Amino acid sequence: DGGITQSPKYLFRKEGQNVTLSCEQNLNHDAMYWYRQDPGQGLRLIYYSQIVNDFQKGDIAEGYSVSREKKESFPLTVTSAQKNPTAFYLCASSGGTAQAKNIQYFGAGTRLSVL
Amino acid sequence: SQQGEEDPQALSIQEGENATMNCSYKTSINNLQWYRQNSGRGLVHLILIRSNEREKHSGRLRVTLDTSKKSSSLLITASRAADTASYFCATVAIIQGAQKLVFGQGTRLTINP
Repeated sequence: DGGITQSPKYLFRKEGQNVTLSCEQNLNHDAMYWYRQDPGQGLRLIYYSQIVNDFQKGDIAEGYSVSREKKESFPLTVTSAQKNPTAFYLCASSGGTAQAKNIQYFGAGTRLSVL
Repeated sequence: SQQGEEDPQALSIQEGENATMNCSYKTSINNLQWYRQNSGRGLVHLILIRSNEREKHSGRLRVTLDTSKKSSSLLITASRAADTASYFCATVAIIQGAQKLVFGQGTRLTINP
């Protein structure tokens, strides 16, 4: 999965709980992205970051938060405000000439379920 | 909103046959990309075709682009069981002043041995 590590692979959330999904990359990429994928659907953009200490909301940011304190790391927190969090979450990164073409490299994903 | 829409949503063929998937999009593009996703895994970039290109090949993959019809097709020749996966087209959209990759809903391809 191209130098992008997502953990954990499976995650369970209880009612009212915040959970954090980890995404680490060793590709020296500037840009990182979080997507949500529901069964049989395409990807929807949650948040993205073009550079350290900066990030922007995507199409479905409500109920999620992120930070980008280090170039290698872009954790996603699913807050209790996200009422339907069950989905497959994918992290991606892009950099250099690939970023100029918007080619993205993906992690293996985290599957989040609600208990 | 979905910039790219794939057709068909699902395709099942016999090993050795060719598989063709189509993608339509709405706005002008700089490039169009195809990605592959094995079940329960992340996406893998397959091929990129620029807006001034009409056809591109990579191994058993052939991509065409018709900007007048705002459509692209992905052809996989001599399919193998290992080609079983979902295939997504993606285009770049300018949203809130930034370039973002927008994915279609994908075509689920099953290769029967």
